Order: sequence, then C-alpha cells, then structure tokens
Amino acid sequence: ETGVTQTPRHLVMGMTNKKSLKCEQHLGHNAMYWYKQSAKKPLELMFVYNFKEQTENNSVPSRFSPECPNSSHLFLHLHTLQPEDSALYLCASSQGLGDAGTEAFFGQGTRLTVV
Amino acid sequence: SQKIEQNSEALNIQEGKTATLTCNYTNYSPAYLQWYRQDPGRGPVFLLLIRENEKEKRKERLKVTFDTTLKQSLFHITASQPADSATYLCALSGSSNTGKLIFGQGTTLQVKP
Repeated sequence: ETGVTQTPRHLVMGMTNKKSLKCEQHLGHNAMYWYKQSAKKPLELMFVYNFKEQTENNSVPSRFSPECPNSSHLFLHLHTLQPEDSALYLCASSQGLGDAGTEAFFGQGTRLTVV
Repeated sequence: SQKIEQNSEALNIQEGKTATLTCNYTNYSPAYLQWYRQDPGRGPVFLLLIRENEKEKRKERLKVTFDTTLKQSLFHITASQPADSATYLCALSGSSNTGKLIFGQGTTLQVKP
C-alpha cells in the first residue's frame, strides 16, 4: 500500500447528484494533485496544490471543484457531471513541485461512473 | 503541442527475455523523465527517474536510457518474470518547478511463463 489513501474506491452517481472524492497522504509531502485517467488515454493533470494553495488548474470544467484544507488532505467535489466524466480519478502527492524532478506517489484511485 | 508516444501495441515476451519499452516525445525539452508501473485498477507506482544530463540509470533489473537528441527514452527489464506484467508509463517534467507531469498512454507488457 502507498501512503496515499483515496475514498471511495468506486462511485456511481447520477448527473444531478453531488458527491465528493477524498484523498489523504501520510508521507509529509507538501504538494498534492488530482489526475483523471480515461480508458485508452494518458493521465491528465487536473489540479495542483502546494502548501494547500492551488498552483495549477488545467482548464478543468467548474463542475469539478477541488478543496485542500491542509497539506495532507485533498478533496474533489463533483456536481452535475456528464457521462463522459466517467473515469479513474487519481490523487497523488510529492515532496515538492519538482526542483529535483520529484516523483509522485499515487493513491489507488476512485473509479467514477456517471449514469 | 507537446506529445508523448509509447509503444501503442501490447508487448508480449517470454519469461527470462529482456523487455524493451520505448518513449518518444516531441515539442518538449524535459528536464526529467520518469517511468511508472501501473497494475489494473491501481494507481501508478514510481520506478525510476533520469535527468536530462544523464544517459543511463539502473535499478536492479531495470535500466533506463535518455537520449535528448533523439528525444527518446528506452526502458529495459532484464530477466523478465510473469510478475513484471503490467502497464508501464513514461512521464516528462520540465525545470519550471510546477509539479506538472506529462504522461504517455502507457505500454502493456505481458510476460509469458
């Protein structure tokens, strides 16, 4: 098991629902990330947080709303999603933002299905 | 735009042989290149990092090369085992300290006993 825990592991939601994904890291890292992994496509970076401040929003639709209350916790709030948003959502953390090419530690992901 | 290409087809090899996976990139000058392993239904796991001024990096049965002239990295697994079967992802990052990793789509390796 990695030091990054995501809950829930699986989520099915309707297009009018509101749900949240949770990520917690126990590694003492300062940076946290949300990635989206769709079938047959590369991982897409969504958001980056460093010391709980958002440093990157990769043109993500507003129906995805991140929250980072502290350096150990990251949330992704979901509302009025579309079926094409169905994917594996991965949280990751790293020591810093890459002054030494810092590797990312990933959670197991949340498999999201929008119906 | 930046583009990363990995072997699109699955790679099938016999146990004991060396697996070689390719990562090519265009329109980018990465400072670092990383390789990750991903098993079905799980998150990627970091394997190796190589810097732009390094030609080769080794870790146990793994070897990575980085040719910035060819814009290519090769990932080798020697004495492959069925347990090495997984999808392998390459990822690039620049020197701008943004934390941004650009991933390839991955190559699925199947090692047959």
